[in-house]
This record gives sequence, structure tokens and C-alpha cells, in this order.
Amino acid sequence: AQSVTQLGSHVSVSEGALVLLRCNYSSSVPPYLFWYVQYPNQGLQLLLKYTSAATLVKGINGFEAEFKKSETSFHLTKPSAHMSDAAEYFCAVIKANNNDMRFGAGTRLTVKP
Amino acid sequence: DAGVIQSPRHEVTEMGQEVTLRCKPISGHDYLFWYRQTMMRGLELLIYFNNNVPIDDSGMPEDRFSAKMPNASFSTLKIQPSEPRDSAVYFCASSLSQFGHEQYFGPGTRLTVT
Repeated sequence: AQSVTQLGSHVSVSEGALVLLRCNYSSSVPPYLFWYVQYPNQGLQLLLKYTSAATLVKGINGFEAEFKKSETSFHLTKPSAHMSDAAEYFCAVIKANNNDMRFGAGTRLTVKP
Repeated sequence: DAGVIQSPRHEVTEMGQEVTLRCKPISGHDYLFWYRQTMMRGLELLIYFNNNVPIDDSGMPEDRFSAKMPNASFSTLKIQPSEPRDSAVYFCASSLSQFGHEQYFGPGTRLTVT
């Protein structure tokens, strides 16, 4: 079965610093991969998704992620963190032949002034 | 579009009472998902529907939980009787039928069972 592993349940960066949130997937078939963000007391909001069209995917709010098949990774990055980026981030995977989405455990991002 | 709508946003009930959570998916979406989120277990898929038919309910914790989708624009998740360990945030999400399509989440219902 497909799954995702998010390395680091908490990440703390300074405002203006690089954000790197790690996600590794396991899937026996080419997957669809997603990053979602959850702000306090809200539902999950899609940041970006990979559907095999391009390995570097750009999302909202300046985030991007790169699909690396050789490393089975889909890490999320942002060049310069903003205070408003503080939230919980979830990596998710869907196998190519169904709609059953599996979420990682989440990474809480803290941005220090 | 108004997005996925859930009601109520907050529910506080006593142990043993019946709880009904409601969801209206985005119009035109064929799939509807119910999730539960807790600190201990993270985000768990409970059940999902395709064209109003339950496809996979293996995530439903026990017989106290039931879900229905009587039509394309409405679904309910019922807990009867409720227990304190059911306290969580319950999310509804919907998506289009194409494989790999993203899911759109509602704002969630925060359930507290005392």
C-alpha cells in the first residue's frame, strides 16, 4: 500500500530563512503527490500537487516541491519564510488508479521573528 | 462555489448521546470523504463514497459509527452512543472523479464528548 513519511514533526525557522519540509513516499506504482497546509482551526488547503507533468511543481504562497523518483521524495521548500507561513503541513499520496488519499503525520512549522 | 460545508462547527455533548455531523460537498464532485483528526492519531480516513455509494468503510472505528449519503449534496456521520474518546475534529472532503484529483476540505466539526 502507498504511504508517506514526513521527517520531523516540528520545524522552526527564522523569518526570511529557507523552509524545507521533508516527505518521502512509498508506492508500487507512479503516484500523485500533494502538499496541504492547515492553519489553526481550519480545514486543509491544497498548496500544490504533482501529477507527472513536471518534476518541479510551484504552488501557492511561494511554495514549491520537487519530485525525485530516485530518492522517492517530494520535499516542500520556500526560499524565504514569512510569519504567516506558520501552520501544519501535510504530505499526501494517491496511487494512480484510485482516489484513496493517504496523509503523512504532518509537520508543524514555526516561524520566529 | 461555497466550498465544502460542514455543520455544526462545534458540538459539545455528553457521553451516551447521539451525535450527527453533516456535510455538503462541492457541487459536481463525485467523491466524498470523512476524516477524523486527533493529536494522537493524526488524520484518519473513516469512510468514502463514490456517487453516493460507500466504497471503503474500513476506517470506521466501531459499530457506533455510521455514515450515509442519501443524495449527491448531503452526507451524515453519526455516532451513537458517543464516548469521550470520540472527541476529535471531523473533516469532510470532496473531489472529482478523475484519478488523482485533489480533495477539497471543509472547515471541520470539533466534537467534544464529556
